[in-house]
Amino acid sequence: KQEVTQIPAALSVPEGENLVLNCSFTDSAIYNLQWFRQDPGKGLTSLLLIQSSQREQTSGRLNASLDKSSGRSTLYIAASQPGDSATYLCAVRPSAGGTSYGKLTFGQGTILTVHP
Amino acid sequence: GAGVSQSPSNKVTEKGKDVELRCDPISGHTALYWYRQRLGQGLEFLIYFQGNSAPDKSGLPSDRFSAERTGESVSTLTIQRTQQEDSAVYLCASSPRRGLQETQYFGPGTRLLVL
Repeated sequence: KQEVTQIPAALSVPEGENLVLNCSFTDSAIYNLQWFRQDPGKGLTSLLLIQSSQREQTSGRLNASLDKSSGRSTLYIAASQPGDSATYLCAVRPSAGGTSYGKLTFGQGTILTVHP
Repeated sequence: GAGVSQSPSNKVTEKGKDVELRCDPISGHTALYWYRQRLGQGLEFLIYFQGNSAPDKSGLPSDRFSAERTGESVSTLTIQRTQQEDSAVYLCASSPRRGLQETQYFGPGTRLLVL
């Protein structure tokens, strides 16, 4: 059974800092990995999607890396801003085949607070 | 519509009552997913639809939970004889095609409280 763990559970930083969020998964047979952002009272917003054949993806101040063999991904946020405050979730999708390919397995998230 | 919508946004019910949660996916999206997020916990997969068939129901917690989908449009998640442990945010997502590369677009969720 796939298990996804995110460290740290919570993080509080001053504005302007660069920070790293960690995600690990137990089964390396994944098709892709996604990082999401969840704001209070709202749904999830997809930030970055990394295919299993890729090593990293970048979008603006965000950079996500994937080491499939070791079961790890990191989300790097550069020059953090108060507007980055949210819960960040990573999720993995299993490899093709079977009926479970539609299913995402989520970590419990990292609650990020960026102070002005 | 512009995004996935869910209704109601909030629902308070008494233990033992039945509830229906609705999800309207993005127009044209063939895949639809239901997840549950309990307080302080991660998202749990419940069920996945491809069109109106459900190839993966593995996440449904018990036989009190069921879901339907009409064609490639609205889906309803029904919880019968609700229990306090059913209290959670129920999230729906849709994606354009069956392809594994597709990202899932999430709705705002329905917050269910069972008293």
